[in-house]
Amino acid sequence: DQQVKQNSPSLSVQEGRISILNCDYTNSMFDYFLWYKKYPAEGPTFLISISSIKDKNEDGRFTVFLNKSAKHLSLHIVPSQPGDSAVYFCAASARSDMRFGAGTRLTVKP
Amino acid sequence: DSGVTQTPKHLITATGQRVTLRCSPRSGDLSVYWYQQSLDQGLQFLIQYYNGEERAKGNILERFSAQQFPDLHSELNLSSLELGDSALYFCASSQANSGNTIYFGEGSWLTVV
Repeated sequence: DQQVKQNSPSLSVQEGRISILNCDYTNSMFDYFLWYKKYPAEGPTFLISISSIKDKNEDGRFTVFLNKSAKHLSLHIVPSQPGDSAVYFCAASARSDMRFGAGTRLTVKP
Repeated sequence: DSGVTQTPKHLITATGQRVTLRCSPRSGDLSVYWYQQSLDQGLQFLIQYYNGEERAKGNILERFSAQQFPDLHSELNLSSLELGDSALYFCASSQANSGNTIYFGEGSWLTVV
């Protein structure tokens, strides 16, 4: 079941520009949302999260936006850096269950 | 280093065999999650344990089973292995049962030949 969807398998941006990664979910019971970053041959690492009672959370260059009515969240990275090149997974949690999207591969070109 | 330890890091085995993957959660974490990532696939949730009890089940095959022990480490048992079971298996842990950030280990890479 695809309760969490990342419809863009890949994204390429120029260094210094904004990267916007999108995620949609179907289960209205999800109340906690997260973004993870994954480099090859490593485990996913936590990046940023947001509770359903908020619509924005910012941490340095990373901002997550949540639109509950649209069941949509996005991750903005600005400015993008070559070291940000990785696969980004969004995740949504409800009670004991955490589901992940299929991931978006971000490439930041120098 | 997330604090979540998985062993073995790499494993090659034949079809029909059985393997056990082990996970030690971060110190103080009571929840353990297992995920499967096949080639070019996302993270598929398999199962979650909280303080020794099964709490949530995802797309886990009947040939697979897991448990969490009193010391909170967990094992994922994969039996009657098929070629399609080749994947990266991740363990993750969190403090609470829900609504928490989970932290991943580096994964166990299983190759079935």
